[in-house]
Amino acid sequence: AQSVAQPEDQVNVAEGNPLTVKCTYSVSGNPYLFWYVQYPNRGLQFLLKYITGDNLVKGSYGFEAEFNKSQTSFHLKKPSALVSDSALYFCAVRDRGYSTLTFGKGTMLLVSP
Amino acid sequence: GAVVSQHPSWVICKSGTSVKIECRSLDFQATTMFWYRQFPKQSLMLMATSNEGSKATYEQGVEKDKFLINHASLTLSTLTVTSAHPEDSSFYICSAPGLAGSTRTPTSYNEQFFGPGTRLTVL
Repeated sequence: AQSVAQPEDQVNVAEGNPLTVKCTYSVSGNPYLFWYVQYPNRGLQFLLKYITGDNLVKGSYGFEAEFNKSQTSFHLKKPSALVSDSALYFCAVRDRGYSTLTFGKGTMLLVSP
Repeated sequence: GAVVSQHPSWVICKSGTSVKIECRSLDFQATTMFWYRQFPKQSLMLMATSNEGSKATYEQGVEKDKFLINHASLTLSTLTVTSAHPEDSSFYICSAPGLAGSTRTPTSYNEQFFGPGTRLTVL
């Protein structure tokens, strides 16, 4: 079985400060890891993914995430937050042997001006 | 990236009626599509996997007769909520794995491309 944990329901950060949204995962094999963002009443937008290679993955809108196998983590980061980054962020994992994604419960990011 | 559309984007219906939601892959073929349900401020829960040319695979606890899925072609899957009740009100999202512009069967490297979602409200 595969699972994802996002320990924070909400993250608050001031504009211009760095942000981190945490994600840990559990799979039986090697993982494919994803971050998605969802704006109100909208579908999910892809931010970035880790498949293989460099542990630091760069994605859309200045976001990046670091794959840490020993800690089974894939935290989302951005050096300088924008108010427009305020949204719901989902981490997702897929075992390489399966086609379905398992999502975390989501973390609401609120960036204050 | 690849585009997935959903129609309608929102629907309000009376209790007891049926509602059909369409999910289309616009620039790629999808032999598989996924249907998710999302309650307010909660995560996406996979309801079923829609397979072109065969029966859908439902997740545990999802009523097959309640949520009818038909994968009519390589670019279209439909979800019909039959005899809808207020507790069926939710945000329904579909996704399809694929490579933009590709007709190949998805590989394990493929992303899932998500539709914009359909907001269903049952009165």
